Amino acid sequence: QKEVEQDPGPLSVPEGAIVSLNCTYSNSAFQYFMWYRQYSRKGPELLMYTYSSGNKEDGRFTAQVDKSSKYISLFIRDSQPSDSATYLCAMSRGGGYQKVTFGTGTKLQVIP
Amino acid sequence: NAGVTQTPKFQVLKTGQSMTLQCAQDMNHEYMSWYRQDPGMGLRLIHYSVGAGITDQGEVPNGYNVSRSTTEDFPLRLLSAAPSQTSVYFCASSSMGTGNQPQHFGDGTRLSIL
Repeated sequence: QKEVEQDPGPLSVPEGAIVSLNCTYSNSAFQYFMWYRQYSRKGPELLMYTYSSGNKEDGRFTAQVDKSSKYISLFIRDSQPSDSATYLCAMSRGGGYQKVTFGTGTKLQVIP
Repeated sequence: NAGVTQTPKFQVLKTGQSMTLQCAQDMNHEYMSWYRQDPGMGLRLIHYSVGAGITDQGEVPNGYNVSRSTTEDFPLRLLSAAPSQTSVYFCASSSMGTGNQPQHFGDGTRLSIL
């Protein structure tokens, strides 16, 4: 069993839809939770970053962490064609320990 | 603002050949790492370094060597290329700290081994 599980998709939605992306994990030592966005033929770029449980909002993006269920989510409101990319969840123990474990990524397509 | 620069962007090798993938960062980051990205496998850590002269193995180190003689550079060497090493390779860097520091990625090297 992988430490981090992520549905690979692809996920196709119409422009303006609310998108929900999810990951589950098994390692209870994870304290830091991230979402990276990766455009085709580019490197991943950090989109959202959350410490421990709770919600974090940044514009159209909301990240949620439920440590009791070992479940994290990324919501995209009013999705745009420019949001079409692969979204990778990522987690680490933190505390100076820099190793990050990535999910396999969910490919999202927003159709105009 | 160069960030993390990887060269070359594309490379085709024959089985048994060796080569070095270059990675350089200009952000004075202590932590640097190499990942490979394969369909359905996600990003897997090959080797990492927490500073000049210090390297360690990640999840999939076999067939790869690294060294870190300067803060800026972290080359990845394929000793004897095998078709199983066909992949997209990403270099990343981050600062060190008590909290988690976000990683900055290069745009990758696409490597095909025939």
